[in-house]
Amino acid sequence: AQSVTQLGSHVSVSEGALVLLRCNYSSSVPPYLFWYVQYPNQGLQLLLKYTSAATLVKGINGFEAEFKKSETSFHLTKPSAHMSDAAEYFCAADLSNFGNEKLTFGTGTRLTIIP
Amino acid sequence: ETGVTQTPRHLVMGMTNKKSLKCEQHLGHNAMYWYKQSAKKPLELMFVYSLEERVENNSVPSRFSPECPNSSHLFLHLHTLQPEDSALYLCASSSHRGRSTGELFFGEGSRLTVL
Repeated sequence: AQSVTQLGSHVSVSEGALVLLRCNYSSSVPPYLFWYVQYPNQGLQLLLKYTSAATLVKGINGFEAEFKKSETSFHLTKPSAHMSDAAEYFCAADLSNFGNEKLTFGTGTRLTIIP
Repeated sequence: ETGVTQTPRHLVMGMTNKKSLKCEQHLGHNAMYWYKQSAKKPLELMFVYSLEERVENNSVPSRFSPECPNSSHLFLHLHTLQPEDSALYLCASSSHRGRSTGELFFGEGSRLTVL
């Protein structure tokens, strides 16, 4: 079955350290891929997206993600964590090639920043 | 006005009550969505409306009834809910221009508690 898997429901990093949040997809055709962020008591906000152009995608707030077809991965990284990065991050994929935004989401990774 | 507004932000209801959640988007989009967000589960797509026509209904129980009177407003009517329906209900909108771009714009959600 087609799916999106996020490894690690909780990740803690020290302020200034590298952030790495993992996402793998399962699909016979490389899908469009997305990362969303949800701050406490807020809705989800698009961080970045891969739509079959450049495999290294840059997003807002210094985040970037690299699409690796051979590994069916789309991991999210940031070189230096900031306290304001504490939030929940969701990987999502358009697995259906549907005309509307019918995205399949992962279960989310809660990122905690240690001062 | 923010892009996507949801009311109420918090709702507590008994299993025999009837209530409605409201969503309004001020972005000029032509597609609207209801998602259910439960702890430790992926976001679940419930309903999709495109150009005010329902195009998706993901096997949602009939105790949830959506209504989209125009492209800016979306309702979720609730009746005889169960405690397991307690969750955060997120509304989203997008501008449908063919292939998915993943750019969903979310509201802040309505936190529903069913007693």
